[in-house]
Amino acid sequence: NAGVTQTPKFQVLKTGQSMTLQCAQDMNHEYMSWYRQDPGMGLRLIHYSVGAGITDQGEVPNGYNVSRSTTEDFPLRLLSAAPSQTSVYFCASSHEALASFNEQYFGPGTRLTVT
Amino acid sequence: GENVEQHPSTLSVQEGDSAVIKCTYSDSASNYFPWYKQELGKGPQLIIDIRSNVGEKKDQRIAVTLNKTAKHFSLHITETQPEDSAVYFCAALRGYKLSFGAGTTVTVRA
Repeated sequence: NAGVTQTPKFQVLKTGQSMTLQCAQDMNHEYMSWYRQDPGMGLRLIHYSVGAGITDQGEVPNGYNVSRSTTEDFPLRLLSAAPSQTSVYFCASSHEALASFNEQYFGPGTRLTVT
Repeated sequence: GENVEQHPSTLSVQEGDSAVIKCTYSDSASNYFPWYKQELGKGPQLIIDIRSNVGEKKDQRIAVTLNKTAKHFSLHITETQPEDSAVYFCAALRGYKLSFGAGTTVTVRA
């Protein structure tokens, strides 16, 4: 198993540009989520999904969209990039809903810089 | 929403000594408390977790304690080794949402 994969590893955007961060997992996990990590602030939940076709907002959803058309993929879309979205983004997945206390596996991260 | 506070933000210990990291949470409905280790350039990795109906859990050199009444939980690493140097995060789960502490950078001095 490749686990949780994320592309790209690094990205530089100009303010106002849009882009999609890709996340895929090959473990047949129902639950997937996106976090952003900023210095001194830990990880903050952006959006999550408990299964294909179901998504919900996390702690900091503004400026981001998600969709879950398949079990494997959970892309994160930045609609109009802003410097405040400069961060490291992590995708994670777990078997069944996280509320069942299953281990959450993290991808390697995407480092995004918005100028 | 849930608020998780983590202390200290940095911790330097001599190899072989113990390290303790403490976290508090605000929402009494939180019922699952994992700890993650993050090495440079990598995603966080689960090292130990505890459920709200358990007071203590141990896995080799790592242990976690939970005090539900006081709403705090702690990570204990004994006999620290250089490979324990990393950033450690505590987290608390309420429903489908996991809230993280700000992290502790642990440095083990040889």
